[in-house]
Amino acid sequence: GAGVSQSPRYKVAKRGQDVALRCDPISGHVSLFWYQQALGQGPEFLTYFQNEAQLDKSGLPSDRFFAERPEGSVSTLKIQRTQQEDSAVYLCASSSLAGKTYEQYFGPGTRLTVT
Amino acid sequence: QKEVEQNSGPLSVPEGAIASLNCTYSDRGSQSFFWYRQYSGKSPELIMSIYSNGDKEDGRFTAQLNKASQYVSLLIRDSQPSDSATYLCAGPGGGADGLTFGKGTHLIIQP
Repeated sequence: GAGVSQSPRYKVAKRGQDVALRCDPISGHVSLFWYQQALGQGPEFLTYFQNEAQLDKSGLPSDRFFAERPEGSVSTLKIQRTQQEDSAVYLCASSSLAGKTYEQYFGPGTRLTVT
Repeated sequence: QKEVEQNSGPLSVPEGAIASLNCTYSDRGSQSFFWYRQYSGKSPELIMSIYSNGDKEDGRFTAQLNKASQYVSLLIRDSQPSDSATYLCAGPGGGADGLTFGKGTHLIIQP
């Protein structure tokens, strides 16, 4: 079946621009996670949704980062006034069950470059 | 801060041999661990999950969890050049609800 999809796959933004990154999880998956991966590092947790509820946003690095999942399916990660340090790969993962103790499946990621 | 530690490598193994990848973790209460494979320029792909002490085998892969010593390992038997990738170990600890990942071990299988 279809896996997690993300768009766009690549995004170049000028410093100060706003960007929106989309994630379409595996159909029926309850949990959705956003991670940020810098070059040579493992993914770092940003935020977690269970259905439409954002239960954990402790990993969002600043108030410029905002995520939503209004209908409990597709999610959008928005970054306002992008900075060079925001350059990274943004990964979305989904899981069929609630919480962190179950298998998460990743999408292909969006590579964001801020110039 | 819950941490997962891995040796970044590179770990070089001849084709056909057993590759052994290791990971240690800080939180004694962690119950579940995952191994992901990540090819260069691609996203992480789940290859193994382990939820209890002992060994779990799936094809050429064996995951081992030792809660007393707080380590997780991944064995790859009959290593193939296509196994060359970065292997990420993950456990609970990213925020309250996410995973925390190690930096990954870069594995090279030499033909």
